Amino acid sequence: AQSVTQLGSHVSVSEGALVLLRCNYSSSVPPYLFWYVQYPNQGLQLLLKYTSAATLVKGINGFEAEFKKSETSFHLTKPSAHMSDAAEYFCAVSDLAPPNFGNEKLTFGTGTRLTIIP
Amino acid sequence: DVKVTQSSRYLVKRTGEKVFLECVQDMDHENMFWYRQDPGLGLRLIYFSYDVKMKEKGDIPEGYSVSREKKERFSLILESASTNQTSMYLCASSLAGQVWAGELFFGEGSRLTVL
Repeated sequence: AQSVTQLGSHVSVSEGALVLLRCNYSSSVPPYLFWYVQYPNQGLQLLLKYTSAATLVKGINGFEAEFKKSETSFHLTKPSAHMSDAAEYFCAVSDLAPPNFGNEKLTFGTGTRLTIIP
Repeated sequence: DVKVTQSSRYLVKRTGEKVFLECVQDMDHENMFWYRQDPGLGLRLIYFSYDVKMKEKGDIPEGYSVSREKKERFSLILESASTNQTSMYLCASSLAGQVWAGELFFGEGSRLTVL
C-alpha cells in the first residue's frame, strides 16, 4: 500500500523567508500525490496535486511542489512566507489511480504545523 | 460551493455513552469518509462509503460503526465511548472517481471529549 512520510511535525520560519515542508512517499505504482492545508478551526482544503503531468506543480497562495521520482519526494515550498500561511499541512497519496476506480481513498501523512515568526 | 456540514463542532460525553456524529453534504457526492485526527498521527481513516447502504472499513474501524441510509448523510457511531476516542473527527465527501484526483471536501470537524 502507498504511504507518505512527513519529516518535521513543527516548522517555524520568519516572515518573508523560504518555506520548505518535506514529504516522501512509498508506492509500488506511480503515485498521485497531494498537499492539503488546514487553517485553525477549519477543515482541510486541497492546496495542490501531482497527477503525472508536470513534475512542478503550482497551487494556491503561492505554494508549489516538485515531484522527484529519484528521491521519492514531493516537498512543498513557498519563496516568501506570510503570516497567513500559519496552518497545518498534510501530504497525501491516492490509493488507486484511473482506470482502477473502486474503493478509492486517500492516505495522509502525520502533518506539519507551520508557524510564522513576525 | 460544496458544503460538508458536521452537526456538532464540540461534544463532551461520558465513558460508556453512545455517541452519534452526523455529516451531511449538499453536492450529491457518492463517496463519504470519516477520518480521525490526532496530534502526531495525522488523519486516519475510520470508515468510508461509496454508495448508499454501502460501507467499507478503513484503517482503524475498531470501536466505531457507520450508517448511510441516505446519499447525503453519513453517520459515525461510537457504541460505547471510551476515553481513547477523545479526538477530532473529520468528515469528507467526493464524487465517484474523483478521490484519485484528491478532490475531497472536508467538514470543519467535530471535537469529541470523552470523560
